[in-house]
Amino acid sequence: KQEVTQIPAALSVPEGENLVLNCSFTDSAIYNLQWFRQDPGKGLTSLLLIQSSQREQTSGRLNASLDKSSGRSTLYIAASQPGDSATYLCAGTSSNDYKLSFGAGTTVTVRA
Amino acid sequence: SAVISQKPSRDICQRGTSLTIQCQVDSQVTMMFWYRQQPGQSLTLIATANQGSEATYESGFVIDKFPISRPNLTFSTLTVSNMSPEDSSIYLCSVEGPSNTGELFFGEGSRLTVL
Repeated sequence: KQEVTQIPAALSVPEGENLVLNCSFTDSAIYNLQWFRQDPGKGLTSLLLIQSSQREQTSGRLNASLDKSSGRSTLYIAASQPGDSATYLCAGTSSNDYKLSFGAGTTVTVRA
Repeated sequence: SAVISQKPSRDICQRGTSLTIQCQVDSQVTMMFWYRQQPGQSLTLIATANQGSEATYESGFVIDKFPISRPNLTFSTLTVSNMSPEDSSIYLCSVEGPSNTGELFFGEGSRLTVL
């Protein structure tokens, strides 16, 4: 079963600083990896999807990388803004059973 | 992407009662997924609902407690039966997007508090 870990659990940065969020997974047989944003008490918003054949994906200020050999994905958020404050979740789909496993999330606070 | 609507968005329920959550998708989808997010926790898959067949439940979840209906390709319901305070969670409906990449999209969730 795919185990997904996110470190740190919480992060606080001043506005304008770049954010680096880490996600690690145990099974390199990964079909895809997805990053989500969750605001308090709300559902999940899909940010980026990286398929197993890709090394990174970019959308605006967001860039996510995938390194299957080391079992890691990193989400970079450039020039952070207070509106980026949220919990960021990564989730990996195993190639073996196509089931999605979620990390516990990193809660980000961007201080104005 | 897929647009998913869930009802209710939140509710406060009494112990021992049951509540049905509705999930409506703006396009036809083969599979719909129901997740639970307990306070301070990440998401756990409850079951996968296919139209025209019984839902497939994950370990630790049973049909008697979480009956699911899937009457057509755009709609599903999840019932939380005989609720206890431990059932207080956000329940989320999810579907795969149309691009066939495995990308998942989620509804806004239904936040249940059981007293």
